[in-house]
Amino acid sequence: GAGVSQSPSNKVTEKGKDVELRCDPISGHTALYWYRQSLGQGLEFLIYFQGNSAPDKSGLPSDRFSAERTGGSVSTLTIQRTQQEDSAVYLCASSFYPSSYEQYFGPGTRLTVT
Amino acid sequence: DAKTTQPNSMESNEEEPVHLPCNHSTISGTDYIHWYRQLPSQGPEYVIHGLTSNVNNRMASLAIAEDRKSSTLILHRATLRDAAVYYCILGGSNYKLTFGKGTLLTVNP
Repeated sequence: GAGVSQSPSNKVTEKGKDVELRCDPISGHTALYWYRQSLGQGLEFLIYFQGNSAPDKSGLPSDRFSAERTGGSVSTLTIQRTQQEDSAVYLCASSFYPSSYEQYFGPGTRLTVT
Repeated sequence: DAKTTQPNSMESNEEEPVHLPCNHSTISGTDYIHWYRQLPSQGPEYVIHGLTSNVNNRMASLAIAEDRKSSTLILHRATLRDAAVYYCILGGSNYKLTFGKGTLLTVNP
């Protein structure tokens, strides 16, 4: 079946501009996670959505970052007034079970802020 | 969180079995052992997980020591596509994945 998809695959933006990153989870997966991975670094958790529950936003690095999940499916991660340190690969994952370690990742969006 | 220790790198030949070790001497009784891998320029890929008993799936096998202080991921016949960084992580109810440095597996043709 179809896996997690993310768009765009690459995004180059100028410092100060806003960007939107999209994630389509696996159909039927109720949980959705956003992470980012900087060059040579490990995973950094950003946000977790589960059904209609309030999202866990504890990993968002600043108030310039926000995310929403519409209709329990597609999610959008928005970064306002981008900074060079926001450059990273943004990864989305979904899982069938809530709060699961068995997560299925998309290919990521490589964001470059110039 | 309990810590895992993995070799920085390993090398294998195509078509041969690969045994990737992981030490986790401070594992708690409720921690599952999870393995992920990340191929170059791709997102992480879930491989397998287990608690106490050995586990098999279409991708790999997981052998867990009786005292649970170590485990081994077994790829039965390595292919070039298995070249990746392999991460061993412990988890219970916390869904926030964090990866250490993992083991870089090189597969020689």
